[in-house]
Amino acid sequence: LAKTTQPISMDSYEGQEVNITCSHNNIATNDYITWYQQFPSQGPRFIIQGYKTKVTNEVASLFIPADRKSSTLSLPRVSLSDTAVYYCLVGVIWAGTALIFGKGTTLSVSS
Amino acid sequence: GAGVSQSPSNKVTEKGKDVELRCDPISGHTALYWYRQSLGQGLEFLIYFQGNSAPDKSGLPSDRFSAERTGGSVSTLTIQRTQQEDSAVYLCASSTRVDEKLFFGSGTQLSVL
Repeated sequence: LAKTTQPISMDSYEGQEVNITCSHNNIATNDYITWYQQFPSQGPRFIIQGYKTKVTNEVASLFIPADRKSSTLSLPRVSLSDTAVYYCLVGVIWAGTALIFGKGTTLSVSS
Repeated sequence: GAGVSQSPSNKVTEKGKDVELRCDPISGHTALYWYRQSLGQGLEFLIYFQGNSAPDKSGLPSDRFSAERTGGSVSTLTIQRTQQEDSAVYLCASSTRVDEKLFFGSGTQLSVL
């Protein structure tokens, strides 16, 4: 099981770009890299997923280097509503093994 | 339903009592996970069901915890002889073979007095 390491917390201001990096040195060949966002009193929700290179959707970008031992979630122009905990998850649901979440990164956005 | 449904949303019980927590996954989702989240902490894996395969119970913290999934759909997590340290939010997630995304319910807040 690929273990992930993220910063415990990050602070930012509205309008700034935020980059959260996750280390996963023992990622397996078939593993996907998926990021989830969690607000208080809610379950995590999917943000973005990738396997290699760069992925972009309407809310974020995900950068994955060639060796796939790390990944960076990029949130453009954050707002107060982006204050949440962000989890990096590495694994394959259909591999038949448990998906283990890391401790997550608490992002605090101030005005 | 449109999403993963968990019930009850809140459960208060006395130490030593048994509790049952229910999860209704999204229709057609064959993978189902249970996680526990203590206050201010990350998600702790408990158990994983995938189709008709034997569940992965490696995360269950003690033999007081058990879970079943009937008919490949609804799942029930049972905690026997509850202890105060069992107080946490219990989250359920489901997934389909179409993609690798987990869809989470809103959780059950369990408080053991």
